[in-house]
Amino acid sequence: GAVVSQHPSRVICKSGTSVKIECRSLDFQATTMFWYRQFPKQSLMLMATSNEGSKATYEQGVEKDKFLINHASLTLSTLTVTSAHPEDSSFYICSAAPDNEQFFGPGTRLTVL
Amino acid sequence: SQQGEEDPQALSIQEGENATMNCSYKTSINNLQWYRQNSGRGLVHLILIRSNEREKHSGRLRVTLDTSKKSSSLLITASRAADTASYFCASSYVWGAGTKLIIKP
Repeated sequence: GAVVSQHPSRVICKSGTSVKIECRSLDFQATTMFWYRQFPKQSLMLMATSNEGSKATYEQGVEKDKFLINHASLTLSTLTVTSAHPEDSSFYICSAAPDNEQFFGPGTRLTVL
Repeated sequence: SQQGEEDPQALSIQEGENATMNCSYKTSINNLQWYRQNSGRGLVHLILIRSNEREKHSGRLRVTLDTSKKSSSLLITASRAADTASYFCASSYVWGAGTKLIIKP
């Protein structure tokens, strides 16, 4: 199956700093990637759809200026959490869906102190 | 709002028993997917069932889909301790709350 990687797997930062998370498709090209966040003991919530070469599509309630998405190439999408606060602490997961089957990255655990 | 809703929210059974988890959804789907997630870790895709399929098997897993009732079920036969995880159904990038399955040795 297709492989999606994420980096970093875990990050701890101070409140007010920005954090960039990378999502890469390793063995296929992904014109579209998806970013999710997951709170402890809860389900995944789609944040945005990342489109290569164009602006991301954000789900209702997700601040686009807070969560900056850049999909500059067919194999890389980045999510930057700007001016992070403790409430942004969460598990962030990206996915790509070649042939309508989603393949997920391993996730990034963000802890904001 | 979440489209899929898993039932039960938690399930604890003895090793060797079968585990059945159900998922209901609200709108029309093209396909429905089941995933597992070990505590605090990434997601593993289990099975994708398309809207024109009624049943699908993969090893000890069996998924059924009833589009008239907008529901799906995941059956794990002969459960093992390693099956302990949370199981989610998803369609169109909207996810249910998940079923936490605990297999007691």
